[in-house]
Amino acid sequence: AQSVTQLDSQVPVFEEAPVELRCNYSSSVSVYLFWYVQYPNQGLQLLLKYLSGSTLVKGINGFEAEFNKSQTSFHLRKPSVHISDTAEYFCAVSRYTGTASKLTFGTGTRLQVTL
Amino acid sequence: DGGITQSPKYLFRKEGQNVTLSCEQNLNHDAMYWYRQDPGQGLRLIYYSQIVNDFQKGDIAEGYSVSREKKESFPLTVTSAQKNPTAFYLCASNPGGVTEAFFGQGTRLTVV
Repeated sequence: AQSVTQLDSQVPVFEEAPVELRCNYSSSVSVYLFWYVQYPNQGLQLLLKYLSGSTLVKGINGFEAEFNKSQTSFHLRKPSVHISDTAEYFCAVSRYTGTASKLTFGTGTRLQVTL
Repeated sequence: DGGITQSPKYLFRKEGQNVTLSCEQNLNHDAMYWYRQDPGQGLRLIYYSQIVNDFQKGDIAEGYSVSREKKESFPLTVTSAQKNPTAFYLCASNPGGVTEAFFGQGTRLTVV
């Protein structure tokens, strides 16, 4: 079984400050990890993904994440946030059985950026 | 433009009525998924389908049904057996293998 824990339900931050959104996972098989962003009343948009290779992954809108196998973490970071980054962020782990791929999501972290 | 279209965006139904949510994709993806989103609970998998005429239950399939008669379409029916149907429903697809899912814009269902 696989699961994802997002440790913070809400993260308030001032504009231009750095931010880190935490994600820990558990999985008994190969790990494929994703971060998605959701704006109000919209679908999810992919920010970045880790499938293999370099553990530092760069995504859209200046976000990056680091896969840490020993700590089973995949934290999302941005060095300087903007008001437009206010949204809900979801971490997800994928399990692929050879015929089916299933995503398991965390409960989300609401990032609130203020002036 | 390729993408996933969910309709309608907002849907209101009376308790006890079945309702069908539409999901259409023109990405030529093999796999399609339905998720339910409730505040503070993230996304939970209802049903998924890897190929036409085949689908599997997810984690919370009770009270829901699906069909996959065409590759591009994966409608979800919320039946009267679903005890708490008011939620935001998201449809997704992926081309198969280990890759990300692509999401539609969602349907907000309110049952009164």
